[in-house]
Amino acid sequence: EPEVTQTPSHQVTQMGQEVILRCVPISNHLYFYWYRQILGQKVEFLVSFYNNEISEKSEIFDDQFSVERPDGSNFTLKIRSTKLEDSAMYFCASGVTYEQYFGPGTRLTVT
Amino acid sequence: AQSVTQLDSHVSVSEGTPVLLRCNYSSSYSPSLFWYVQHPNKGLQLLLKYTSAATLVKGINGFEAEFKKSETSFHLTKPSAHMSDAAEYFCVVSDRGGNKLVFGAGTILRVKS
Repeated sequence: EPEVTQTPSHQVTQMGQEVILRCVPISNHLYFYWYRQILGQKVEFLVSFYNNEISEKSEIFDDQFSVERPDGSNFTLKIRSTKLEDSAMYFCASGVTYEQYFGPGTRLTVT
Repeated sequence: AQSVTQLDSHVSVSEGTPVLLRCNYSSSYSPSLFWYVQHPNKGLQLLLKYTSAATLVKGINGFEAEFKKSETSFHLTKPSAHMSDAAEYFCVVSDRGGNKLVFGAGTILRVKS
């Protein structure tokens, strides 16, 4: 059964550094998403992406964040200058209509 | 704005007994509702979905949920718990365009042998 995959599973970075989180969505899906879950808090929507552009973003998704689909298979989330409060589990999801299928997540730790 | 409230942060049941995980939603339109499950160190897996068809929705692994508009509820049930059901369960509502999911806080299900 096709799955969404994410790499790395765990990323440790220093404050101020750039990080890129990578996702490979399910191959025939058209909609792509990033969510995050800060420890002890709810899963929060960050951004949705369709037809090579952002379709919606939350207030969390400020200028420090960007997304890209550099080729036909990968979907990336970049954080330009990480802050301590960016430490969280980041989930990628993909879907066709209302259903979204999630990857296992990347745990980002900012020190 | 749409939201969901999961009424229990932890539920503990014995193996073989019924499971009930409670969820209430708030939405200004007819919502799409989902239950996701997360096992330790795994991703979020879609258990079932309601999208304005039948109000009783059957999902994977014997789980069901019933959409009750009058009670604004979407509770998750299973007749007989298995040890493998121990996980965290999330009730989720979609925005009108299906573009964004709004998660509840999660319910951790513990299954005792």
